[in-house]
Amino acid sequence: ETGVTQTPRHLVMGMTNKKSLKCEQHLGHNAMYWYKQSAKKPLELMFVYNFKEQTENNSVPSRFSPECPNSSHLFLHLHTLQPEDSALYLCASSQPSTGTNEQYFGPGTRLTVT
Amino acid sequence: AQSVTQLDSQVPVFEEAPVELRCNYSSSVSVYLFWYVQYPNQGLQLLLKYLSGSTLVKGINGFEAEFNKSQTSFHLRKPSVHISDTAEYFCAVSDQGSNYQLIWGAGTKLIIKP
Repeated sequence: ETGVTQTPRHLVMGMTNKKSLKCEQHLGHNAMYWYKQSAKKPLELMFVYNFKEQTENNSVPSRFSPECPNSSHLFLHLHTLQPEDSALYLCASSQPSTGTNEQYFGPGTRLTVT
Repeated sequence: AQSVTQLDSQVPVFEEAPVELRCNYSSSVSVYLFWYVQYPNQGLQLLLKYLSGSTLVKGINGFEAEFNKSQTSFHLRKPSVHISDTAEYFCAVSDQGSNYQLIWGAGTKLIIKP
């Protein structure tokens, strides 16, 4: 049990759909992350939230919209996605006060855009 | 800019043989170093970490890594691998004082041959 849960684990959506990915951490951390992991590509950091405030947005297209209502929950709202957005989306959390950036990951959501 | 290089994209090795997965980083300041493992269809799990102190770090599942500051390396080793070690291994680095982020290597797939 990693302490970070993600739902759903698998998602198939059409390009005109709207869906949301959910992440919840039970570790008492204050920073949360969204990563995209595509086949044969390095891990891509998408967004970082610290104490509910977005601190990083790595030039992510606006069809991905993050939401962090509190330090334990993180959402990724998806709309009008493209087939190249098919990937494993990973959520992670960390405790900034440690200063190490050690991150704990959820199991991921496997997204397929048709 | 800081970077992490995992020279081998794949490492095939026979079961019960030793293995070394290489990781080199570029940084002019003190760093924290991590190895993560990703089993098929799962998220990333922390395998071991170097924060300070002894340069030889032991992790889960019999893995260990040695921090070599002069060579800016953090190679991962296991004296005898098992079929269950089949996974992708990621090296990551954090500058002391960096802003929440880990810098990731591209990953090394460990392939265990029976």
